[in-house]
Amino acid sequence: LAKTTQPISMDSYEGQEVNITCSHNNIATNDYITWYQQFPSQGPRFIIQGYKTKVTNEVASLFIPADRKSSTLSLPRVSLSDTAVYYCLVGLNNNDMRFGAGTRLTVKP
Amino acid sequence: EAGVAQSPRYKIIEKRQSVAFWCNPISGHATLYWYQQILGQGPKLLIQFQNNGVVDDSQLPKDRFSAERLKGVDSTLKIQPAKLEDSAVYLCASSSYGTGKENEQYFGPGTRLTVT
Repeated sequence: LAKTTQPISMDSYEGQEVNITCSHNNIATNDYITWYQQFPSQGPRFIIQGYKTKVTNEVASLFIPADRKSSTLSLPRVSLSDTAVYYCLVGLNNNDMRFGAGTRLTVKP
Repeated sequence: EAGVAQSPRYKIIEKRQSVAFWCNPISGHATLYWYQQILGQGPKLLIQFQNNGVVDDSQLPKDRFSAERLKGVDSTLKIQPAKLEDSAVYLCASSSYGTGKENEQYFGPGTRLTVT
C-alpha cells in the first residue's frame, strides 16, 4: 500500500494561495494521485486527480514532480469557504487507496 | 444526476443492539464503498463491492459487521451487536468502472451512529 504523509493542519488568510504537499515515497508505477475535500458534516468530495506534471481544473491545480514521490495541491485565492480537510490518496482504480488523517486547512478573514 | 442516497441520517442505539444502514449509489456506478469515519479521523474503508462481488473487506470487523449488495445496486451495512466504539459516521460512496474515472468517488451524506 502506498502511504501518504501530509501536514496535519495549515492556516491561511483570504485571498492567499495555499499549497498543500503530500509525500508518497512508495508510489507504484500505475498509481494515480487523487485529492478530496471534506467539509464538516459532509462526505468527502473529489477535487482533482493526476498522474504526472501538472493538472488544472476550475477548483485547483495539482503539481507532480518527475519522480512522483510527492504532489502539491494548489488552491488559488482561498476564501473562508475553503476551510475544510484535504486528503491525498494514491492508487489505481480505487484499489488499495486509503484516506489518511488529511490536512485541516483554516482560512482566516 | 441524483447523488448517493443514504438512510437513516441519524441513529441512536444502545450497546449490544443491532443496526442497519442503507445506501443507493449513483445510477450506473458499478463500485460501491462503505467507510467508517470516527470524529477527527479520515474515512476508513470497511468494504468495497464491484457489482455484487466483494473486492476488499480486509478492514471489516467480520465478527459484528456484515454488508451485502445482492443485486449489484443498493447495499446494506449491518452491525450486530453494536459496541460503544462503533459510534461514528458511516459513509457510502460509489464510482464508475471502465470510464477512466474509477478514482472519482462520490460520497453520500452519511449516517451518524451513536451507541450509548
